[in-house]
Amino acid sequence: DQQVKQNSPSLSVQEGRISILNCDYTNSMFDYFLWYKKYPAEGPTFLISISSIKDKNEDGRFTVFLNKSAKHLSLHIVPSQPGDSAVYFCAANGGSQGNLIFGKGTKLSVKP
Amino acid sequence: EAGVVQSPRYKIIEKKQPVAFWCNPISGHNTLYWYRQNLGQGPELLIRYENEEAVDDSQLPKDRFSAERLKGVDSTLKIQPAELGDSAVYLCASSWTGPPGANVLTFGAGSRLTVL
Repeated sequence: DQQVKQNSPSLSVQEGRISILNCDYTNSMFDYFLWYKKYPAEGPTFLISISSIKDKNEDGRFTVFLNKSAKHLSLHIVPSQPGDSAVYFCAANGGSQGNLIFGKGTKLSVKP
Repeated sequence: EAGVVQSPRYKIIEKKQPVAFWCNPISGHNTLYWYRQNLGQGPELLIRYENEEAVDDSQLPKDRFSAERLKGVDSTLKIQPAELGDSAVYLCASSWTGPPGANVLTFGAGSRLTVL
């Protein structure tokens, strides 16, 4: 029973265009959501987070939107660059344990 | 600052053999995690330590997996005996348990295990 779902295994966009990565969750107790980026043969690296009391958080080219009623969040990358090509994981945190629960990831390919 | 250090980076063993992974977290991070990432999947938690105490090991297959974090710093994860299905990347991560907020984990590069 997946609590964090990334339904698109892959996404391909042209350099300079917008990349939109989606994530759905089922547990309404989650209070923080994070996005991690992973290059091959490296560990995941933290990208951006959002609290459940907000609906938007922006950091440079990266913006995360949260729709609590729909239990949905998305990561927007504008403009996309070839160096953004990686696997992006959505993760959620909450409850007493404080563990991060990850989705399966979406592989983004940005073509020059 | 140095990141989370893991070794070995790659390990190939035959089934039924033992294997051990080592992790050195970021200095000052009191929380340490071991995650397992299977091919095409996201990381899944095996065990979480607060200092030297294992506070969540509910997903650790205790019949063959063991972990320790002596002195609340370095940690080792052991598998004995290994099975074919244990082939995966084992990720160590650490974080600082501070005021309520996003629990940002810093991951090591991982240890890729192949069981033949």
